[in-house]
Amino acid sequence: QKEVEQDPGPLSVPEGAIVSLNCTYSNSAFQYFMWYRQYSRKGPELLMYTYSSGNKEDGRFTAQVDKSSKYISLFIRDSQPSDSATYLCAMRRNAGNMLTFGGGTRLMVKP
Amino acid sequence: GAVVSQHPSWVICKSGTSVKIECRSLDFQATTMFWYRQFPKQSLMLMATSNEGSKATYEQGVEKDKFLINHASLTLSTLTVTSAHPEDSSFYICSASDTGTGELFFGEGSRLTVL
Repeated sequence: QKEVEQDPGPLSVPEGAIVSLNCTYSNSAFQYFMWYRQYSRKGPELLMYTYSSGNKEDGRFTAQVDKSSKYISLFIRDSQPSDSATYLCAMRRNAGNMLTFGGGTRLMVKP
Repeated sequence: GAVVSQHPSWVICKSGTSVKIECRSLDFQATTMFWYRQFPKQSLMLMATSNEGSKATYEQGVEKDKFLINHASLTLSTLTVTSAHPEDSSFYICSASDTGTGELFFGEGSRLTVL
C-alpha cells in the first residue's frame, strides 16, 4: 500500500463546476499538507499549504485537512478551462523533511 | 510567490557526455533542495535530498556516482548527469525548501534528451 493514495483520473467536468480532489494517507505523522498544480512539461506550482487539520481558502481554491480520517481535499469553485492540469497532493512530517507525493489527478475542464 | 529558477530548461546531448542542471532559489534561502525525476504521465520520483554544505542523500536505486549533486550555497544546487545514456532521458525537476517557512517550491524542470 502506498503512503499517499490519489485517484489518477482523468476527471472531466464542465466549465463552472465545483471540483473536488482528494487524497488519503496512512502515516499519522504527516503534519504539513500541500497541493500542487502541474501543467504539461512544467514544474509543479504550489497552490495551497496547510499545517495540521482545518480549512484554508485562497480565491477559488479551498483546502481541507481531516487528520482523524487521514483525508485531505482540494475544492475548486467556478472551474475554468485554464484549471486543466494534473493536481498533486503532497505531505511531510515536519518542515525539514522530504515530501511524499500522491500520484496526481488529471483534471480536464471543458468549455 | 517565491521563485525557483532551473537552468537549462531543455538540453540535448550525445551519449557519453555529462550535463549539469542548476537550481537556484531567487528570493529565499534554501538549506534543503530536492531533485526529482519524472517520466511522462507519472508522478515525481525523488532522486536525492541536497543539504547545503554536506553530502546529498540519495534514494534507493539512484546511482550517486552517476547523478552528482552539489549544494555549495544556500541558493544553489546542481545536478550533473555523468556519462549520460539514452535511458537517462527524462524530465528533471528541483525543489527548494524555504528555510524560514518550510514551504516547498519547484523549478520549471529541465528536459534532458540523450541521443
